Amino acid sequence: SQKIEQNSEALNIQEGKTATLTCNYTNYSPAYLQWYRQDPGRGPVFLLLIRENEKEKRKERLKVTFDTTLKQSLFHITASQPADSATYLCALTGGGNKLTFGTGTQLKVEL
Amino acid sequence: GAVVSQHPSRVICKSGTSVKIECRSLDFQATTMFWYRQFPKQSLMLMATSNEGSKATYEQGVEKDKFLINHASLTLSTLTVTSAHPEDSSFYICSAPGTSGRGGQETQYFGPGTRLLVL
Repeated sequence: SQKIEQNSEALNIQEGKTATLTCNYTNYSPAYLQWYRQDPGRGPVFLLLIRENEKEKRKERLKVTFDTTLKQSLFHITASQPADSATYLCALTGGGNKLTFGTGTQLKVEL
Repeated sequence: GAVVSQHPSRVICKSGTSVKIECRSLDFQATTMFWYRQFPKQSLMLMATSNEGSKATYEQGVEKDKFLINHASLTLSTLTVTSAHPEDSSFYICSAPGTSGRGGQETQYFGPGTRLLVL
């Protein structure tokens, strides 16, 4: 069966460090993968999309990599700030724009 | 960017009553909208795809007679939880597909969610 796995344990890092979150998937051949941020009690907010033929995508302090051989995406936040504290979700796109989400990883950036 | 709103943001109801949740695309049209449910500490689970002018398509295990979806216009989809029970208490979120950024990347715009508590 299809699975999308993210580290369910919360990630605590110090302000200024780089946070790295992992998304692994099985039994998928996604055309692209997306990362979202979700704050408590709110809907997800789109951050980045990376296509299967792209190795890396950047947006300001964010960087996403996509390895279709390993079936893995890494999401990096450089120079992290307390305001980056949230849950980060990866999502794969199936047919008809349907998104399947991973379980999310909670990031906490401490002063 | 595109905005999706939901109403109400929170609702508390008695067991056995029906609750309607509205999802609106405020500055764009959406022929398709998606409804998700999220339980505490869990990820979003797709419930159904709402299609303007036609029947919704439901994911496996989601009862279509319990979760009625109506997509009557290009900017409004509604989800009605009929005869709600405590186990229906959850966070319901809608989304609409759109494009983002200069490259026109396909993405989903999510509403702020509706917290339903059934007593």
